[in-house]
Amino acid sequence: EAGVTQSPTHLIKTRGQQATLRCSPISGHTSVYWYQQALGLGLQFLLWYDEGEERNRGNFPPRFSGRQFPNYSSELNVNALELEDSALYLCASSNFGQEPSTDTQYFGPGTRLTVL
Amino acid sequence: AQSVTQPDIHITVSEGASLELRCNYSYGATPYLFWYVQSPGQGLQLLLKYFSGDTLVQGIKGFEAEFKRSQSSFNLRKPSVHWSDAAEYFCAVGFNDYKLSFGAGTTVTVRA
Repeated sequence: EAGVTQSPTHLIKTRGQQATLRCSPISGHTSVYWYQQALGLGLQFLLWYDEGEERNRGNFPPRFSGRQFPNYSSELNVNALELEDSALYLCASSNFGQEPSTDTQYFGPGTRLTVL
Repeated sequence: AQSVTQPDIHITVSEGASLELRCNYSYGATPYLFWYVQSPGQGLQLLLKYFSGDTLVQGIKGFEAEFKRSQSSFNLRKPSVHWSDAAEYFCAVGFNDYKLSFGAGTTVTVRA
């Protein structure tokens, strides 16, 4: 069974540009989560999508946004890039159930975003 | 405030020796607990998880973790470390909001 996939592997942008990162969840999973792993800041929760809806959002500015498509894949958009947006962006998926205890997140390899 | 603490930033262990990584949490109730491992340049791989029941949890790659409610801890252990265990290890907690909060991570170096 294929795991979570992310593209691109690496992305280089300049300040002020927009970045688009993509994630395909494990087959059968309906939930997609995005996390940022920045140097010195650790892993921080960004966004959670389930069944096409944004369910939860971390403490990030509105220029971080995303969406989930009918096939449950997801896209993370970062507008007006700043130098501090340079980080590894990890996507995870889960087979979201009614109880938190059934929710286990499986991670993809990440997209390394570098902002120059 | 809610938090996850991994007190050890870096641990060096000899191959074949035992390993214990510490994790403490501070939450109003018992969260769901996870250990993930990250090799350089890679994503996170789930080692094990605790939701309820038996407080000693077995995971992949020979790892186990013990949940101690009285100490708010979820320490990870391995009896005999292999060189391939060199990586960064993250403790994570989940709660009813379905997002994971991670500790700062512990880097494990294995010496021959």
